[in-house]
Parts: sequence; structure tokens; C-alpha cells
Amino acid sequence: LAKTTQPISMDSYEGQEVNITCSHNNIATNDYITWYQQFPSQGPRFIIQGYKTKVTNEVASLFIPADRKSSTLSLPRVSLSDTAVYYCLVGEEYSSASKIIFGSGTRLSIRP
Amino acid sequence: GAVVSQHPSRVICKSGTSVKIECRSLDFQATTMFWYRQFPKQSLMLMATSNEGSKATYEQGVEKDKFLINHASLTLSTLTVTSAHPEDSSFYICSARSQGQETQYFGPGTRLLVL
Repeated sequence: LAKTTQPISMDSYEGQEVNITCSHNNIATNDYITWYQQFPSQGPRFIIQGYKTKVTNEVASLFIPADRKSSTLSLPRVSLSDTAVYYCLVGEEYSSASKIIFGSGTRLSIRP
Repeated sequence: GAVVSQHPSRVICKSGTSVKIECRSLDFQATTMFWYRQFPKQSLMLMATSNEGSKATYEQGVEKDKFLINHASLTLSTLTVTSAHPEDSSFYICSARSQGQETQYFGPGTRLLVL
């Protein structure tokens, strides 16, 4: 299972773009990269998933370089409600035997 | 779509009693369900993985006789904390995944407090 490394915490201000980078040097060929958001006392919420290059949805963008050893979650124009813990996970999808191990996550604090 | 529910959302029990937590996938068939535990200010820790109709696979250090997991149907998995003690107080979160889905979806969590 690929281990992930993220910054423990980040601070930003409302309206700014926030980029959170995750390292996963041992990512396997079949592994996908998934980001989750978690608010206190709630279950994690799926944000975005990708395999390579760039993925964008209505919430965020995910940038993955060619070697896939890292990925960057980009949150455009953050608001106070984006204050949460963000987890980067890698794992093999479509496999009933695969499991996802959570790293420490990045605690993002947004200020007015 | 892809909604996972947990019941109860919060439970308080006396030390020595057993507590059952239900995890349901409401709009999809979950071939695999996962149970996590999360202590304050910490990350989620995977406890076990269960595939429908099979015995659960427990992570190292998790007592299978204390944390009983049943995944008898494609929409329901239960976690029973037997003979609960105060150190079992935690936030328990389940997730579910179908082979046709790209990712796993998490329930809202169950806060367990053992007095």
C-alpha cells in the first residue's frame, strides 16, 4: 500500500486559491489518487479522484505529474466553510481486496 | 447517489455492555464495507474490511472477538463492540464500495461513549 505524506497544516484567507500537495513515492501502477474532506464529527466526504494528468470537477482540481509520485489538490477561491481536514489517499479501485489507509491529513484553516 | 447511513449517530453505554452500530448503503449495493475508528485530533484508523457473505478481515491489533462484524447483505454491515470499556470510546465510521463504483463512500459516523 502506497504511503502518503502531506503537510500537517495550512492557513489561507477567503478568496484565495489553496494548493495542497501530497507525496506518494511508492504508488503502484493500478493505484488511483483520491482526496477526501472531513469536518469535525463527520465522515469523510469524497472530493475528487484521478489517475494521471489533470482532473477537474465543480469543487476542485487535481494535478498529477507524469511520474505520479505526487499530486496537488487545488481549491479555487476558498471560503470559511472550506476549513477542514483534507486527506490524500492512494489505492486500487475495483478491487474487493484492496483497502485504503488514511495518512495524517492536512488541517486547512481559512481566515476572513 | 452513493449515500451511506449509520445508526445510531451517538450512543452512550455502561462499561461491560455491548453496542451494535449499523452501516447501510442506501442507493447502491456495497460489495465491500470498511470500518474505521477515529480518536480526537487523529486520522481514521482502519479496523476491518468486510466483503458481503465472507468473514471480515481485521487489521493487526484489532481484536476480532471484541469487534464483531457482520456483512450479511449487500446493503448492511454491523459492528458490535462487545463488553465495551471506556477506552473503546471513539468515533466509528463505516464506508462502502461497490465494484461498479470508482471510490468508497463514508457514513456520517457514530460517536460511542462508554461510561
